[in-house]
Amino acid sequence: EAGVAQSPRYKIIEKRQSVAFWCNPISGHATLYWYQQILGQGPKLLIQFQNNGVVDDSQLPKDRFSAERLKGVDSTLKIQPAKLEDSAVYLCASSLVGSYNSPLHFGNGTRLTVT
Amino acid sequence: GQQVMQIPQYQHVQEGEDFTTYCNSSTTLSNIQWYKQRPGGHPVFLIQLVKSGEVKKQKRLTFQFGEAKKNSSLHITATQTTDVGTYFCAVTQGGSEKLVFGKGTKLTVNP
Repeated sequence: EAGVAQSPRYKIIEKRQSVAFWCNPISGHATLYWYQQILGQGPKLLIQFQNNGVVDDSQLPKDRFSAERLKGVDSTLKIQPAKLEDSAVYLCASSLVGSYNSPLHFGNGTRLTVT
Repeated sequence: GQQVMQIPQYQHVQEGEDFTTYCNSSTTLSNIQWYKQRPGGHPVFLIQLVKSGEVKKQKRLTFQFGEAKKNSSLHITATQTTDVGTYFCAVTQGGSEKLVFGKGTKLTVNP
């Protein structure tokens, strides 16, 4: 099966600029996740979708981050305006059902550098 | 909030030595998953443990879930250079669907 697709692979922006990341999950996977992984740390959940509804966004900095999953398939994550501390790898993952019962399949991630 | 401690943070071994990483929680866990992330790569699912005292094996890897479902371990027998990477535990708690990752244990293997 095709894996989770993410784009772009790399992005360099200046602080206060905006940026968007795109994710296409594995076909048929109902749950989609966006994780932020800062260098040397474990992935931190930003938002979790079940189909096109939000299950958890408690750690999403909503003043600057937004995410949507139209039609329950693809998803975009946006940062506006970016801060230096947003430099990280943004990982998209999908699972067949919720994470309680099924493994997460991760994409290759987008490495964001904010200068 | 839900937290999980993973130790050690780093482990360097000679090829052929064994390796163990531990994942500890102060509260009872619903389930635990283990992932491996190679340098420059993304996390890849290894195993899921759900039952108290559960032990699962994958070739040289042995995964264990504690009797109280508050801790887990991953043991690698006779490490190889291909085992290099960071091993993460990820847990869910109570009725939450939220999967929380530990900080990981970075394993390096000297050939």
